[in-house]
Amino acid sequence: QQPVQSPQAVILREGEDAVINCSSSKALYSVHWYRQKHGEAPVFLMILLKGGEQKGHDKISASFNEKKQQSSLYLTASQLSYSGTYFCGTENEGTGRRALTFGSGTRLQVQP
Amino acid sequence: DAGVTQSPTHLIKTRGQHVTLRCSPISGHKSVSWYQQVLGQGPQFIFQYYEKEERGRGNFPDRFSARQFPNYSSELNVNALLLGDSALYLCASSLEGYYTDTQYFGPGTRLTVL
Repeated sequence: QQPVQSPQAVILREGEDAVINCSSSKALYSVHWYRQKHGEAPVFLMILLKGGEQKGHDKISASFNEKKQQSSLYLTASQLSYSGTYFCGTENEGTGRRALTFGSGTRLQVQP
Repeated sequence: DAGVTQSPTHLIKTRGQHVTLRCSPISGHKSVSWYQQVLGQGPQFIFQYYEKEERGRGNFPDRFSARQFPNYSSELNVNALLLGDSALYLCASSLEGYYTDTQYFGPGTRLTVL
């Protein structure tokens, strides 16, 4: 089942902060965050695993609330380069080799 | 190190034709996954391969097929193309395809069906 992302779109000024949320109706075992710029491939940002382990970008932080089946991506002191569409990909079984189910994305635009 | 590569970059086909898309994973990665991304949507899972065996299949018709070769590269085949198959087809590679592995995406193949 597809995770739900919010907000759908956000416009920021440089230096402002943003939070992007990803919610699942099923138990979450891993959440993968990607950023995609127009016409380009999704770029890996961060992976969060049930139990607290995180791997990824050192300038972006994220949280994983296992009880709420939700993850949030925190973008602080935004830069123009942060513009793009952010996707969360979720895995709901926690075993073996599994594909990711992606949300519809959050479009972020950072203005000067 | 080279990232994931895909070919061709763009492709235009007509309805009913067949298409083959190719993907070379990052060196050392043994798992390849294919995704379809329609404009304005997130990637949708089509197939996952590991060590030349299919490990997962998404909700796509039998017109879609894939295979992985001994060098871990992969092909995605689509038969009897429909207008609705127009999309960006992304290949992602990972070490072993586990849910804890990071998937790295290639630049994609933009398929247009007329």
